[in-house]
Amino acid sequence: EVQLMESGGGLVQPGGSLRLSCAASGFTVSSNYMNWVRQAPGKGLEWVAVIYSEGNTYYADSVKGRFTVSRDNSKNTLYLQMNSLRAEDTAVYYCASGMVFDYWGQGSLVTVSS
Amino acid sequence: QSALTQPASVSGSPGQSITISCTGTSSDVGGYNYVSWYQQHPGKAPKLMIYDVTTRPSGVSNRFSGSKSGNTASLTISGLQAEDEADYYCSSYTNRVFGGGTKLTVL
Repeated sequence: EVQLMESGGGLVQPGGSLRLSCAASGFTVSSNYMNWVRQAPGKGLEWVAVIYSEGNTYYADSVKGRFTVSRDNSKNTLYLQMNSLRAEDTAVYYCASGMVFDYWGQGSLVTVSS
Repeated sequence: QSALTQPASVSGSPGQSITISCTGTSSDVGGYNYVSWYQQHPGKAPKLMIYDVTTRPSGVSNRFSGSKSGNTASLTISGLQAEDEADYYCSSYTNRVFGGGTKLTVL
């Protein structure tokens, strides 16, 4: 059974940093497209970043230059390093696998506020 | 990339059928058969219901079906049940853009 489990969310001040983790079981992170998708409170879904199996990474314009997606193959874990955080980055962050977002984690809430 | 356009809300009675539309452009919905649909209950993660316009993942009820005409994709739910009440999102995964979401109310 495929399971994704995010962690690392919390309250951070504007301009601060946070790293989210997504631990996978039941499949291999390095063999799949792995995405981060976020959802601001009461809003819709917004794709944030992807890392391909070959290691290429792509980002939404809203986070480019501030967020970095990476993975640790030995830990079968996906990461999202978030720097220079803004109030508008407040959201539940989900990791989702594959090109069609076929499996999702339960989400991790990031709140950016002073 | 601009979000795909969905109606904000739709409603139907138990047993009825409803259709949710998702309008894009020839650069996304209209140009490729790469449209997916997700169901999200309050406080829960989204769940994949349809991909490649018409394909249901294993375990998804055959009451859910997808189609496309031109730049508009559609999700149809037949035999509406109370448990279908949720938010529904479409996506064009060629450019990783989502629709704004549609709240389905089962009357």
